[in-house]
Amino acid sequence: DAKTTQPPSMDCAEGRAANLPCNHSTISGNEYVYWYRQIHSQGPQYIIHGLKNNETNEMASLIITEDRKSSTLILPHATLRDTAVYYCIVRVARSGGGADGLTFGKGTHLIIQP
Amino acid sequence: GAVVSQHPSRVICKSGTSVKIECRSLDFQATTMFWYRQFPKQSLMLMATSNEGSKATYEQGVEKDKFLINHASLTLSTLTVTSAHPEDSSFYICSASVTGTAKLFFGSGTQLSVL
Repeated sequence: DAKTTQPPSMDCAEGRAANLPCNHSTISGNEYVYWYRQIHSQGPQYIIHGLKNNETNEMASLIITEDRKSSTLILPHATLRDTAVYYCIVRVARSGGGADGLTFGKGTHLIIQP
Repeated sequence: GAVVSQHPSRVICKSGTSVKIECRSLDFQATTMFWYRQFPKQSLMLMATSNEGSKATYEQGVEKDKFLINHASLTLSTLTVTSAHPEDSSFYICSASVTGTAKLFFGSGTQLSVL
């Protein structure tokens, strides 16, 4: 799986959009970008994933650059409950299910300020 | 979304005893489950991959005789920490994938403290 680089920490004001960057310059053509987050003392939570098109769901938006070497996770209206460590993971998607476990980097600790 | 239930959420045990952690997929069948370990202020580390009806595959450096994994059904995998020692104290997390998707769903984790 391609390696990812994320800033170790970020602050964002409550109510504002939180934009979390991720670099994955060695991504392969068949690798997807996944985002998970982990709130303190809980298991990780799936947020969103994409291949090359921008994606949006009820939690967030994912913007992937045209060359696919970087992406940005956007939380449109951050709340205090969004304070967590956010992990950007690049991996091959297997249609038969997650035959491989995810490899977690250090992620970005997002702190939402009141 | 799919729900993965992990039990217990917290356990304290004496050194030398064994501890069993259960991981259940509540509303889906999970052919493959994964076990992670997380030390304070560190990221999750994959310990092993558990496949229903077969032996688990362990990551390098993880002792298979110490961390026993059983995946006897499509909805249940267990991790048993045998002869636990204080250095085994950690946050253990399981995850499972829904067949036909590549998303993983995680349990809420088990905080193990070995005295």
